[in-house]
Amino acid sequence: DTAVSQTPKYLVTQMGNDKSIKCEQNLGHDTMYWYKQDSKKFLKIMFSYNNKELIINETVPNRFSPKSPDKAHLNLHINSLELGDSAVYFCASSQEGQNFYGYTFGSGTRLTVV
Amino acid sequence: ILNVEQSPQSLHVQEGDSTNFTCSFPSSNFYALHWYRWETAKSPEALFVMTLNGDEKKKGRISATLNTKEGYSYLYIKGSQPEDSATYLCAFSGAGGTSYGKLTFGQGTILTVHP
Repeated sequence: DTAVSQTPKYLVTQMGNDKSIKCEQNLGHDTMYWYKQDSKKFLKIMFSYNNKELIINETVPNRFSPKSPDKAHLNLHINSLELGDSAVYFCASSQEGQNFYGYTFGSGTRLTVV
Repeated sequence: ILNVEQSPQSLHVQEGDSTNFTCSFPSSNFYALHWYRWETAKSPEALFVMTLNGDEKKKGRISATLNTKEGYSYLYIKGSQPEDSATYLCAFSGAGGTSYGKLTFGQGTILTVHP
């Protein structure tokens, strides 16, 4: 039973298309994140939601829009895809508290824009 | 811009060797330092979260130390095994301002353990 699941795992699409990546967590965590693994392999924060409220919005193009219908889901919609959007996108969740041991990551979505 | 730097970038050791890597991070506005293990084709897996200066944490053969005053953390692996081969990431979380609530990751140390 996957704790943080992302779909799809792979996504190949043409420039200019609009696509969505979905993320669901069954851990009961309050906070969810989207990270992008850049060309130098760094994981960079894009967005963070806490109980459906946007709390972190890094400098990303406004073609990227996160949506959190409830605290277990955080989807990423990307409009007018560009070649430079090709990357691996990771969803994660966390729940701070006495036994906080770190983030739980999804397995990533490899987006290729052609 | 927060800099989280890890060294070395990559490391090759023989099975049974003990090894360690370094993570350096800003020493001001510190909140927490995370270590993750990331195997190829899998997702990063949390190893430790450390918050107090002088913290030492251990999980099996892997341990970590934290010095928040000088801004560094060490990860140690005792008696490396081939299954320890992975990328080890550290990540810094700040106490306030624009760094609050988000992790800034280092580039990772790629460890390869040869049988």
